[in-house]
Amino acid sequence: QVQLQESGPGLVKPSETLSLTCTVSGASISSSYWSWLRQPAGKGLEWMGRIYTSGSTNYNPSLGSRVTMSVDTSRNQFSLRLTSVTAADTAVYYCARDCSGGTCYTGSVDSWGQGIEVTVSS
Amino acid sequence: DIVMTQTPLSSPVTLGQPASISCRSSQSLVHSDGNTYLSWLQQRPGQAPRLLIYKISDRFSGVPDRFRGSGAGTDFTLKISRVEAEDVGVYYCMQGIQFPYTFGQGTKLEIK
Repeated sequence: QVQLQESGPGLVKPSETLSLTCTVSGASISSSYWSWLRQPAGKGLEWMGRIYTSGSTNYNPSLGSRVTMSVDTSRNQFSLRLTSVTAADTAVYYCARDCSGGTCYTGSVDSWGQGIEVTVSS
Repeated sequence: DIVMTQTPLSSPVTLGQPASISCRSSQSLVHSDGNTYLSWLQQRPGQAPRLLIYKISDRFSGVPDRFRGSGAGTDFTLKISRVEAEDVGVYYCMQGIQFPYTFGQGTKLEIK
């Protein structure tokens, strides 16, 4: 069973960079796409982007050039960087396995981490 | 972006009674590979979302068979045959055919 765990600081100052890491267990990170999603308190879900083991990425255009994702296959981890954060980036951030492209049978975002709450405040 | 519209946004249901949630997409979710990438997720209070249904109607591992997905093209439905207390939460439809993936606004299922 695939398990994912987000880690990183829970508080980031405005204009600084948010950095999170997701550690994958129970599956090789080389086998799928891996996504980041977020959810402001009391609101809906937003897909931020995804990365494949090769480093190939797809990002949500709404984030512009602020988002970067990377993967570390040796550690079975992938990461998110979001620059120039504002209060609007305050949310629970989730990492998840993305089974699109035939990489696994569901073709969907099928396994999620528990989420990490990140607050942007001075 | 593909817009996903759910109705209703709130659904009070009596325990043991059925519930139904609709989801409409602004364009077809049929992929060139023949699959339709429409999923349903459940988010219980205080928890992360979890996948219930993928490709319109396939139940994910461990999902009870009282959850059923149906539909085609742009119109989809999630039905719960007999609501149980553990089903309380918010349900989202999600499309995975085009970037960015997008979600419905969420339907809050609560017990009357």
